[in-house]
Amino acid sequence: QSALTQPPSASGSLGQSVTISCTGTSSDIGRYDYVAWYQHHRGKAPQLVIYHVNKRPSGVPDRFSGSKSGNTASLTVSGLQAEDEADYYCSASAATNDVLFGGGTKLTVL
Amino acid sequence: QLQLRESGPGLVKSSETLSLTCSVSGGPLATAAFYWGWLRQAPGRGLEWIGNIFYSGTAYYNPSLKSRVTISVDTSKDQFSLRLTSVTAADAAVYYCARRDYWDVTFDHWGQGAQVTVSS
Repeated sequence: QSALTQPPSASGSLGQSVTISCTGTSSDIGRYDYVAWYQHHRGKAPQLVIYHVNKRPSGVPDRFSGSKSGNTASLTVSGLQAEDEADYYCSASAATNDVLFGGGTKLTVL
Repeated sequence: QLQLRESGPGLVKSSETLSLTCSVSGGPLATAAFYWGWLRQAPGRGLEWIGNIFYSGTAYYNPSLKSRVTISVDTSKDQFSLRLTSVTAADAAVYYCARRDYWDVTFDHWGQGAQVTVSS
């Protein structure tokens, strides 16, 4: 059982938007703004798509956005494209150096 | 362009020690801005943080693995290494090395991953 809770699956049609949630506790997501999201295509290295709750690394499309409310963080992918189909993982800090991950959400683009 | 590459045996016998090395190129390992970390993904499971190390040698580990894990660094070779003792089938996974921001949980550069199988 992962420390952070994500839905196992999510789906959306091409061009639509989908939001993936990540629920933690007041000791991790609720306490720090150190929330990150990773996109993982099988057989490839995970790629950072969101950090510090809502910041995008250079090169990540602005279709990817993040937010946080209380103990829950969210990743929204707008204007879904076929290449967005992947596993998505949230990550958060539980203390200065401990790193927690969610169990992952498989995003299917219909 | 920073690159990380994992290397090491792909097959480890149960109860023995898993050893992997991550080679860093395209940027200095000895930098105060980053940690260097190990993560893994077991079949059908999510990502799991194993631990990370600063170039000075200060290391932090996942509490659930702490008793079996050692991460070390060799700045002269721009490498850092993972040792996991007393492995079981549950340790079979793809192991990734990655660069982590010093101040938060952001892993911004990853290796391609190394598949490790545990045999009985």
